[in-house]
Amino acid sequence: QVQLVQSGSELKKPGASVKISCKASGYSFTRSPVDWVRQVPGQGLEWMGWIDTSTENPTYARGFTGRFVFSLDTSISTAYLQINSLEPADTAIYYCARDAGYSSSHFDFWGQGTLVTVSS
Amino acid sequence: QSVLTQPPSVSAAPGQKVTISCSGSISNIGNNYVCWYQQFPGTAPKLLIYDDNKRPSGIPDRFSGSKSGTSATLGITGLQTGDEADYYCATWDSRLNAGVFGGGTKLTVL
Repeated sequence: QVQLVQSGSELKKPGASVKISCKASGYSFTRSPVDWVRQVPGQGLEWMGWIDTSTENPTYARGFTGRFVFSLDTSISTAYLQINSLEPADTAIYYCARDAGYSSSHFDFWGQGTLVTVSS
Repeated sequence: QSVLTQPPSVSAAPGQKVTISCSGSISNIGNNYVCWYQQFPGTAPKLLIYDDNKRPSGIPDRFSGSKSGTSATLGITGLQTGDEADYYCATWDSRLNAGVFGGGTKLTVL
């Protein structure tokens, strides 16, 4: 069965970096894009962008350029989200999701989410 | 401010029907498929409806989706207390070249 398993919660200080992993199983990893979605506690879902798992080309939504980096290790079917120069406003749950298509918001499987807390 | 507009909350009694609206524009709902997601507190969102009105395997037919022009609607019949959750619409926006979500609707089953 398809599963996306994310790494555990992180507590970081402002200015630090964090790298979240999203390990996929149960399907051919390079056949479906992986998207990233942010949810600030108590708020709605926000699309961050996606990475083409066949070309490793990332696309970032407005507001997620510069400090946010999507990457892959296709040898272990894992996607990564790295956030640099963390700010308290980055405190949120970050989800990876399998994209059932290209240029869609059809996310048929989701990771369990990773809580990143940024606090001094 | 979300690109897609949903009511913040809806409520209905057990057994009744409820609809949740999602309003957008020609660049998003008007020209792209809509999906709906259900999210319980502390858990990841779950796909409920895709391609405007299709249900993934395992989703009961109490849940339905429809679309007209630049608006989409999620319908839930035979409401159960277990349906209490947040519901989000989502689609692609061709002008922004980005995925977009509605602000979410909290469903309360009274």
